[in-house]
Amino acid sequence: QKEVEQDPGPLSVPEGAIVSLNCTYSNSAFQYFMWYRQYSRKGPELLMYTYSSGNKEDGRFTAQVDKSSKYISLFIRDSQPSDSATYLCAMTDPHGSSNTGKLIFGQGTTLQVKP
Amino acid sequence: NAGVMQNPRHLVRRRGQEARLRCSPMKGHSHVYWYRQLPEEGLKFMVYLQKENIIDESGMPKERFSAEFPKEGPSILRIQQVVRGDSAAYFCASSRRDNEQFFGPGTRLTVL
Repeated sequence: QKEVEQDPGPLSVPEGAIVSLNCTYSNSAFQYFMWYRQYSRKGPELLMYTYSSGNKEDGRFTAQVDKSSKYISLFIRDSQPSDSATYLCAMTDPHGSSNTGKLIFGQGTTLQVKP
Repeated sequence: NAGVMQNPRHLVRRRGQEARLRCSPMKGHSHVYWYRQLPEEGLKFMVYLQKENIIDESGMPKERFSAEFPKEGPSILRIQQVVRGDSAAYFCASSRRDNEQFFGPGTRLTVL
């Protein structure tokens, strides 16, 4: 079983739709959670960074963490064609045995927003 | 405010040659991480370095791969005697003491 599970999609939605992207994880020690956006043949771009459970909003993006269910989500409101990309969840255990902050990534979900 | 720099962006090597990938972290960042992305897979951690120290190399293959982050200059990921299975995108990320990691554009290695 992978430490972080993410449906690879692809997910196709019409412009203006609300998009919901999700990841589940197995390691209860994860405390920092991130969402990255990666355009084709580019480097990952940090979108959201959250600590522990709760919600965090930034413009059209909302990140949600439910540690009791080991489940994180990213919501995109009023989706635009420019949001078409692969979205990667990532998480880390800052107090692990090596205490290195290395990120564990999901496989990524490919999103296409159609005009 | 330059981001993480990586070069070359594309690298082609024949089997058995050496590949050297360079990463310059963001200004003020002293932590460097290397990740590898194989086709249709997510990013996999390889190694974490601070200046002149390897902190965690638990994701590095045991042979042919090495990394350094000297006191002066960029971090280097070195792959000796490359094989076709090494073909991938290699990303470098940097951070301060906290956990926000910022990624470079990557080096796409193709082994012929």
